[in-house]
Amino acid sequence: GENVEQHPSTLSVQEGDSAVIKCTYSDSASNYFPWYKQELGKGPQLIIDIRSNVGEKKDQRIAVTLNKTAKHFSLHITETQPEDSAVYFCAASNPGGGGNKLTFGTGTQLKVEL
Amino acid sequence: NAGVTQTPKFQVLKTGQSMTLQCAQDMNHNSMYWYRQDPGMGLRLIYYSASEGTTDKGEVPNGYNVSRLNKREFSLRLESAAPSQTSVYFCASSEAGGHDQPQHFGDGTRLSIL
Repeated sequence: GENVEQHPSTLSVQEGDSAVIKCTYSDSASNYFPWYKQELGKGPQLIIDIRSNVGEKKDQRIAVTLNKTAKHFSLHITETQPEDSAVYFCAASNPGGGGNKLTFGTGTQLKVEL
Repeated sequence: NAGVTQTPKFQVLKTGQSMTLQCAQDMNHNSMYWYRQDPGMGLRLIYYSASEGTTDKGEVPNGYNVSRLNKREFSLRLESAAPSQTSVYFCASSEAGGHDQPQHFGDGTRLSIL
C-alpha cells in the first residue's frame, strides 16, 4: 500500500518568513495530494490540494508543488503569520480500489514566532 | 453551516464497555469515513462508506463496527473497548466516492479507555 513520509516533524519560523513542508509518497499510481491544517482541538481542514496533471498550485500565501518523477510534493507558506501556527498534514490518494482512501503523513507542527 | 457533526466530544470508558460514536453531515455527501488519530501516527482509516448501503474496511478495522444509517449518518461502534482504542476519532465526508474528492472533517471525539 501507499506510504507517505512527511518532514520536518516540527518547524519554527519568525513571523514574515517562509515555511516549507515536504512529503514523499511510494505509490506511483497516486495522483491526488491534499494538504490539511489542524488547529488545537479541531478537525483537519483542507487548505489546498493538487492533482498530478499540474506541477504547482497557488492560493494567496499558500502554494503546493508536485514532482511526479521524484514522488514528492511540498507545501509553501509565504509571509507567515501567528495564525498559521498549527499542525499540517499531507496526504496521497490513488484511483486503485474503492472509495477515497487517503494515506496521511505524520504531521508537521508549525510555530510562527513573533 | 454545521458541516460534519460528531457526538459526543469527549468520553471515558472502562475496559470492556461498549459505545457508539455518532456522525452526521448536512452537505448531501455520498461518502463518509471514520479515522483515528494517535500521536506521531497521523490519521488512519478505520472504515468508510462509499455510498449509502455500503461499508468497507480501512487500514485498522479490528475491534470496530460501522453502520451507514442513511445518507446523512455514519456511526462507529466499539463492542468491547480496550485501552489500545484510546484515541481521537474523526468522521469525514466527501461529495462522491472518487479518490480525488476533498474530504471534510468533524472536530472529533476524544475517547479514553481505562
